[in-house]
Amino acid sequence: AQTVTQSQPEMSVQEAETVTLSCTYDTSESDYYLFWYKQPPSRQMILVIRQEAYKQQNATENRFSVNFQKAAKSFSLKISDSQLGDAAMYFCAYRSALSTNTDKLIFGTGTRLQVFP
Amino acid sequence: NAGVMQNPRHLVRRRGQEARLRCSPMKGHSHVYWYRQLPEEGLKFMVYLQKENIIDESGMPKERFSAEFPKEGPSILRIQQVVRGDSAAYFCASSPSFRDSPLHFGNGTRLTVT
Repeated sequence: AQTVTQSQPEMSVQEAETVTLSCTYDTSESDYYLFWYKQPPSRQMILVIRQEAYKQQNATENRFSVNFQKAAKSFSLKISDSQLGDAAMYFCAYRSALSTNTDKLIFGTGTRLQVFP
Repeated sequence: NAGVMQNPRHLVRRRGQEARLRCSPMKGHSHVYWYRQLPEEGLKFMVYLQKENIIDESGMPKERFSAEFPKEGPSILRIQQVVRGDSAAYFCASSPSFRDSPLHFGNGTRLTVT
């Protein structure tokens, strides 16, 4: 069974600085998707970024980028130029790409990010 | 285009009562997923449904929990004879098709069992 581990329960960053959130996962599959979701106090789950395992190039979305290391099964999220609105819980998630599986996501336990002015 | 709509936003039930949580997927989405989030934890998959079919219920407790997604109307997650351990946030997500479609989440229903 696949597992997702986020070893940092809490992180903090100064406004305008850069922060990296860690995520590791365990799977025997070769084809899969990885995601970072943001959950602000409103509770809504917002997709931040997505990575296909077959792509070597790291995904980037504006100030958000990932460092995907397939061999190490590591998928960290870098937030550049941090803003107060980035404060939230961040969840790393895995989804199999096998046709026999459903689209269910497997989530880590989350990292709470605080942003200080 | 309205997003995934869940109601109620908050639900309080006494032990032994029934809880019914509703989810209207985004327009054009025929795939619905239910997840449960316990306090200070990540979301845990419960069930995956398509219209009138349960595709994967591997995350559903064997007793007291059921889900449906009828041809017309919202998806319903039903919890019978609730216990304190059922207190959690329940999230619904939808997608237009199987594979390669990102999930769109609702804002969740927070269930409190007193």
